[in-house]
Amino acid sequence: QSALTQPPSASGSPGQSVTISCTGTSSDVGGYNYVSWYQHHPGKAPKLMIYEVSKRPSGVPDRFSGSKSGNTASLTVSGLQAEDEADYYCNSYAGSNSVFGGGTKLTVL
Amino acid sequence: QVQLVESGGGLVKPGGSLRLSCAASGFSFSDYYMSWVRQAPGMGLEWVSYISNSGSYTNYADSVKGRFTISRDNAKNSLYLQMNSLRAEDTAVYYCARRIVGATPDFWGQGTLVTVSS
Repeated sequence: QSALTQPPSASGSPGQSVTISCTGTSSDVGGYNYVSWYQHHPGKAPKLMIYEVSKRPSGVPDRFSGSKSGNTASLTVSGLQAEDEADYYCNSYAGSNSVFGGGTKLTVL
Repeated sequence: QVQLVESGGGLVKPGGSLRLSCAASGFSFSDYYMSWVRQAPGMGLEWVSYISNSGSYTNYADSVKGRFTISRDNAKNSLYLQMNSLRAEDTAVYYCARRIVGATPDFWGQGTLVTVSS
């Protein structure tokens, strides 16, 4: 499968909100409610922030939220904080395995 | 808590082989499917392979099919990736990850770097 499409970069000032999109097809994002989002600081393990489109694992702040419309999923980070600066990747079930997005570098200005 | 620790990375010449290991702790390893995911320098994440909880079913990305073999030892709480016929384009940080419903990787290790270069 082809990688999901994410914008290469996004930015916002502390306290603002930013939304990152993830576009796929009806064979992945649009076909299943199994979209997940990961926060990745270089040199560290990727961290699951959202799973099954909009669910948050225990310990993830409610500033992070997920949604989906058609073939596009979105991650919204509200009340931006300096520690939110990282790379963010989406992932979608695509029938027996999964496919990742190309990643978005989020900069907190 | 869940811990995944990869090892076995290093520098290898094109055409060479390497075996990665992932030691799991903090959860019932034999209950979960497991995956390998890689990230080439400056690139995004790429799913490589997964294995069922019993080890009876495996699947591979087309880019590694026929060259890589995933396996596990539930008695040792360990996951492995045997990589043969390595190419420069296999250079990446390799992560092991636990897999939950919907093929979603939930917990990840910190990765091990594989460099394929002459």
